[in-house]
Amino acid sequence: DIQMTQSPSSVSASVGDRVTITCRASQGISSWLAWYQQKPGKAPKLLIYAASNLQSGVPSRFSGSGSGTDFTLTISSLQPEDFATYYCQQASSPFGGGTKVEIK
Amino acid sequence: LQLQESGPGLVKPSETLSLTCTVSGGSISSSSYYWGWIRQPPGKGLEWIGSIYYSGSTYYNPSLKSRVTISVDTSNNQFSLKLSSVTAADTAVYYCARRDYHSYAMDVWGQGTTVTVSS
Repeated sequence: DIQMTQSPSSVSASVGDRVTITCRASQGISSWLAWYQQKPGKAPKLLIYAASNLQSGVPSRFSGSGSGTDFTLTISSLQPEDFATYYCQQASSPFGGGTKVEIK
Repeated sequence: LQLQESGPGLVKPSETLSLTCTVSGGSISSSSYYWGWIRQPPGKGLEWIGSIYYSGSTYYNPSLKSRVTISVDTSNNQFSLKLSSVTAADTAVYYCARRDYHSYAMDVWGQGTTVTVSS
């Protein structure tokens, strides 16, 4: 079974900071990776699909990259509404453990 | 398109958890999508449970496969989850979601429903 490992598990950042979250697959998954944002009490929201494609309506400060086993989600300039937990997911199977982005 | 989960909020240990997801504003019989279930225990991360295509083909999380059944009812535009022999560890918010056939990403989610396993 494929395992997805996210790091860090939490990050403290300020508005305007650049934030990078990584996700590593236990074996190669080509580009079949998605990123989701979840706010407390809400359902997850799709941000990025197929590793680097921005979902419609998602701000361009979000970007994704990577293929094979190593992937990255970058928020270029953190906004107040971006404080949330972020998850990666291989295809539609295992999720990573999540990264909580907190206010510094 | 909207998804709405429904079902009992309380299930007794050893019994079967049953939830239904109703799809509105689109057809569950579209060839472009799978339909899935995901859960989130209190204070923890997301866990994929399984997915189904309108034709009835399914695939499940190996760790839950022995207890999970997902079915589809195209006439009512619904799909359902059954999880047998539940324990307190199955207490979670359960989400249904649409998975794009080509990108594999879950692009539409229900609001979630809380299920507590307790006697």
